[in-house]
Amino acid sequence: DTGVSQDPRHKITKRGQNVTFRCDPISEHNRLYWYRQTLGQGPEFLTYFQNEAQLEKSRLLSDRFSAERPKGSFSTLEIQRTEQGDSAMYLCASSIITEAGGAYNEQFFGPGTRLTVL
Amino acid sequence: AQSVTQPDIHITVSEGASLELRCNYSYGATPYLFWYVQSPGQGLQLLLKYFSGDTLVQGIKGFEAEFKRSQSSFNLRKPSVHWSDAAEYFCAVGHSLFSGGYNKLIFGAGTRLAVHP
Repeated sequence: DTGVSQDPRHKITKRGQNVTFRCDPISEHNRLYWYRQTLGQGPEFLTYFQNEAQLEKSRLLSDRFSAERPKGSFSTLEIQRTEQGDSAMYLCASSIITEAGGAYNEQFFGPGTRLTVL
Repeated sequence: AQSVTQPDIHITVSEGASLELRCNYSYGATPYLFWYVQSPGQGLQLLLKYFSGDTLVQGIKGFEAEFKRSQSSFNLRKPSVHWSDAAEYFCAVGHSLFSGGYNKLIFGAGTRLAVHP
């Protein structure tokens, strides 16, 4: 399967613990996005990368959140000192932009990581 | 600020009936508009998109949507619903870039579709 993959699919943790999620985008996709989806809501943008550069961070991304994409391939999203309000589905998406094609291409989404903070 | 409103939280239709899901957006320029579907345990899948041109766009699985600038709407339609269409549907607008294209997506809260046999 060559789609976007995320690991783990489910994570249960206790309040105050740190968690890290991984996203593997579609090969050769140079843009990678993180979104968060809470129950009954649509996804909300968190941050995105173009290659290894983090180009934008939402104000939803408090200083407890950090995202990296060190080699321009996979990305990690870490949450430090988790709180119950962090319980959500964390979605990753990737897309490709080219000089010729511009930034018009579809974002492909992974299945998400469901985080439960007890 | 950009926003997307999906007025209907839940919709129930009978199999074979027609469907229309409403979406209204708030955006200054010509928007990049999308409809995604999310089934349990599945990732979001793109049904269709509108960037420019013909205001009636065709998508996958027999869906279509019509862009109406005067009403700031982008409603999704299907003439005959199948039981497998039961899912959550999200309308989204892409944040435009000066250089062209878009980056982040702004989603509505979604409409959950139930299909009665």
